[in-house]
Amino acid sequence: DIQLTQSPSFLSASVGDRVTITCRASQGISSYLAWYQQKPGKAPKLLIYAASTLQSGVPSRFSGSGSGTEFTLTISSLQPEDFATYYCQQFNSYPLTFGGGTKVEIK
Amino acid sequence: QVQLVESGGDVVQPGRSLRLSCAVSGFTFRNYAMHWVRQAPGKGLEWVAVISYDGSHTFYADSVKGRFTISRDNSKNTLYLQMSSLRTEDMAVYYCATSQGRYCSGNGCYSDNWGQGTLVTVSS
Repeated sequence: DIQLTQSPSFLSASVGDRVTITCRASQGISSYLAWYQQKPGKAPKLLIYAASTLQSGVPSRFSGSGSGTEFTLTISSLQPEDFATYYCQQFNSYPLTFGGGTKVEIK
Repeated sequence: QVQLVESGGDVVQPGRSLRLSCAVSGFTFRNYAMHWVRQAPGKGLEWVAVISYDGSHTFYADSVKGRFTISRDNSKNTLYLQMSSLRTEDMAVYYCATSQGRYCSGNGCYSDNWGQGTLVTVSS
């Protein structure tokens, strides 16, 4: 199975900060990766797919990059509504797997 | 708009069975593969299973293989998850989610629509 390791698992940041979350795969997954945002008590929301394609309706301050084994999600200027938990997910092979999550909290 | 509504969550004893449903509207259900994803209390997301548009192809997480069965009724626009031999570690909120295209393959697997989830509690 492909393991996805997200780092950090927790980060504290201020409104306006640039935030970067990393997702590392245990083996190459090409660009078969998505990023989701989840707020407490809510279903996940798709942000990015194919590693770098912004989902329709998602603000442009979110961006994704990477291929192979290392991927990043960047929020260029953190907004109050961005405080949430973020997950990566790989689709290279079954079983599909999620990263452990990164919780972004207000500093 | 696209709506996915899960139901069937309940409190069950270990070893018992339960069937979850996901009623879908707002898109052509029969043309798309579908997923189940779960989240244990206070934990991260765990992919559970996927089914192709016609039910001919199914894949499962190792943790549920042989105990859970994903199925669909395209005439009723409904996705199912039959869970048997339930364990305490199966306790979670279960979400149904759309995939892209008829089969989940590569970048056709991401989920852009999710239900609100249904809670399964496994306890004696």
